[in-house]
Amino acid sequence: DSGVTQTPKHLITATGQRVTLRCSPRSGDLSVYWYQQSLDQGLQFLIQYYNGEERAKGNILERFSAQQFPDLHSELNLSSLELGDSALYFCASSVGGGGLTDTQYFGPGTRLTVL
Amino acid sequence: SQQGEEDPQALSIQEGENATMNCSYKTSINNLQWYRQNSGRGLVHLILIRSNEREKHSGRLRVTLDTSKKSSSLLITASRAADTASYFCATDAGTGGFKTIFGAGTRLFVKA
Repeated sequence: DSGVTQTPKHLITATGQRVTLRCSPRSGDLSVYWYQQSLDQGLQFLIQYYNGEERAKGNILERFSAQQFPDLHSELNLSSLELGDSALYFCASSVGGGGLTDTQYFGPGTRLTVL
Repeated sequence: SQQGEEDPQALSIQEGENATMNCSYKTSINNLQWYRQNSGRGLVHLILIRSNEREKHSGRLRVTLDTSKKSSSLLITASRAADTASYFCATDAGTGGFKTIFGAGTRLFVKA
């Protein structure tokens, strides 16, 4: 158990819908990272927040947005969903804000299926 | 294209044998990490190697980094069936970048 929690575990929805994925980092970690893992694209970095502020942006679509709240939990919002958005979405956290400077601890993931 | 690319894509060995996986990247980095993922589960950090380091050990794991060749290797010695998993290298974007870029991974099968 990494100490990072993600809800829900599974999500099945229809095209055009909007969903929110939630992540609670390990106690004491200030950074939260979001990743998308699909069979054809592999593990893609989406975005990183550090202590409430956006720190780095990766291959995040404009239909997706994220935020980190004062209690450091984070939400990833996916809207106008398409079939191709079906994937595993992972959240990770780390103590510092330097990306790979320290270990990233991964949550169990949310499996999103868009029908 | 991705910063980190693992080679081989898949590797099948017998228990007790050593497994070597390679990672190549394109631009300069500050740090490189190796992660392991059991099927459908979250990634688990294995080892971090910084750009000024050449080799690190952790238990049965040995990681090397050759910045001149922009490559790293992960060696698992005396493999066990429980080592069956996918292994990913992750790099940052070097010069002030914080993006974490994962390779496509190597799927390791260790037969008992």
